[in-house]
Amino acid sequence: DVKVTQSSRYLVKRTGEKVFLECVQDMDHENMFWYRQDPGLGLRLIYFSYDVKMKEKGDIPEGYSVSREKKERFSLILESASTNQTSMYLCASSKDVTNEKLFFGSGTQLSVL
Amino acid sequence: DQQVKQNSPSLSVQEGRISILNCDYTNSMFDYFLWYKKYPAEGPTFLISISSIKDKNEDGRFTVFLNKSAKHLSLHIVPSQPGDSAVYFCVLNPASNYQLIWGAGTKLIIKP
Repeated sequence: DVKVTQSSRYLVKRTGEKVFLECVQDMDHENMFWYRQDPGLGLRLIYFSYDVKMKEKGDIPEGYSVSREKKERFSLILESASTNQTSMYLCASSKDVTNEKLFFGSGTQLSVL
Repeated sequence: DQQVKQNSPSLSVQEGRISILNCDYTNSMFDYFLWYKKYPAEGPTFLISISSIKDKNEDGRFTVFLNKSAKHLSLHIVPSQPGDSAVYFCVLNPASNYQLIWGAGTKLIIKP
């Protein structure tokens, strides 16, 4: 079974802190994604990567950056956390270029105080 | 502008009956239409999909119907079981860039 592991289930940070969210997948998938989910909204794509050292902006990249130094690991960075970045963050991976089937981690609930 | 709408935030259905979840979309440039299911404290999981060239796809208790002229997608679950209680997301896959577009989700509650 594909496993996507997110390093933290819950995280509490202060405004202005630099925050790292880590994601690791174990199925050699080329494609990795970071989404955020907020109440009443669908998942919104922040960044994605189709290959090592490659990144593309999604729908809401402002305030975020990403790093993909190794194929299995995709990190989301909040350079200076703000309260409006309080959210559930979901990492996903896929093998198929059409991205029909994404495999998700369990999510990180980030609270910025 | 929302390209996909799930107008029912929640739906309650008796165990054994049919559950029907609906989804409307606003343009026609989609290659595949997907349904994902999410339990609390877990990430979404892929449930079923349908190609834009078909109007029905069935997988066990789950059937997805696509009405392109009405720009409407529905998921039928029959018979509904308690384990089906989850949030269901309607997801669109555009052929242009394969960046999935997610609906807000419908919370399905199956009553015993």
